[in-house]
Formats: sequence, structure tokens, C-alpha cells
Amino acid sequence: IAGITQAPTSQILAAGRRMTLRCTQDMRHNAMYWYRQDLGLGLRLIHYSNTAGTTGKGEVPDGYSVSRANTDDFPLTLASAVPSQTSVYFCASSDSSQSTDTQYFGPGTRLTVL
Amino acid sequence: GQNIDQPTEMTATEGAIVQINCTYQTSGFNGLFWYQQHAGEAPTFLSYNVLDGLEEKGRFSSFLSRSKGYSYLLLKELQMKDSASYLCAALDSNYQLIWGAGTKLIIKP
Repeated sequence: IAGITQAPTSQILAAGRRMTLRCTQDMRHNAMYWYRQDLGLGLRLIHYSNTAGTTGKGEVPDGYSVSRANTDDFPLTLASAVPSQTSVYFCASSDSSQSTDTQYFGPGTRLTVL
Repeated sequence: GQNIDQPTEMTATEGAIVQINCTYQTSGFNGLFWYQQHAGEAPTFLSYNVLDGLEEKGRFSSFLSRSKGYSYLLLKELQMKDSASYLCAALDSNYQLIWGAGTKLIIKP
């Protein structure tokens, strides 16, 4: 693994189903983030984690949950998917959240909820 | 509220120079980032400014004026591979990035 990986690459999901998007980084970064990107809108922060064992809510957290059991993994779960959650989801990481460190992004997951 | 404004789309000619502007309003300010995003790909880091002035990095330069809440990205000697979206993002007082919607840059031969 080099950098950040995300899985799946894309997914079509029926409304009401549960879905977990996976994110793994091998850079030993403390901070990790989940964003969604929709056409015509900027990246919007869903949840973040400053360090393993802690998480926080971003701008659009409703309908999503995260966990950070270790440094490398930061899964995002949609408990009961709705069509408005159709989006491209990016995971990112940085060395520290309390600094100007650059965020590095994974390749993204394209999710369609029908 | 917090807001980032940048043009939706710009067109330029191969070999020319283009300037992409960004204005920001944030609660506190800890710097301004520019990212490049090719279609269907992840954003990648281009530059970071926290002090007023121009930062030059090869064909790309980024400028910041904190008093005006203004930044620009200057791309010189444009190449076809520069066709992409350019995202402006400001780091607020909580060290969270506030993102603009991006400027789609179209390069014509």
C-alpha cells in the first residue's frame, strides 16, 4: 500500500441499506477526514479524527458514522442510505490536524443510492 | 458564515498564462491552499500561503493578500495536461479547511 486507499471504487446501493466505505493509509498520519464532493459544491467535511480513538463531526455529519480503532483505518458507515447521499466520497489524511499540514486524498468512492 | 468564491470555469490557450482568483471569508484564518483535481481523480496539493505575497513553484505561483481576503493561482506556459479543476481552500480558526467549489480550467490548443 502506498498512501491512501479506498474501497470500493464505486457502488450502487438500494435506499435503506447499510454501507461501509473503507479507508486505509500507510503514512502513519494522525489525522484523517471524510469528505463528500457534489457537482457545483465544494468538498464538504463529514467527520474527522485527530488521532486514533477520537472522532469529531464536520459540516454534514447526519446519516453518517465513523470509527478510528487504529491509526491506519477510518471507515465511514451509512446506517440507512438515502438518495441524497449519492456523491463521491474522499478520504484524506494529514500529519496533524492542529497545523498547516497538507491533506492527502484517497482516490475516492463513487456511491449511487437508488 | 464562511464562504469561498472562485469562478466556475475559465478557458485559456496552450502556452499562455492564466490567473485563477479566490476570495474568502472565514472565522479566523490559518492559511490558504490550492489543489488541482483532474476529472475523476482525487485532489492533489499545489500550494500553501499564510503570509502576504507571492510563492513561486515552477510554472505555478500563488499569491495571498490577508487584508483583502484574496488569493490567486497563476499558471504560466500552459500545457494541455493543466486542464483540470483548481480548488481553493482556507484554513479557519479551528484548522478545518473550507473549500471553494473549484474552477474548471479548459486549455485549448
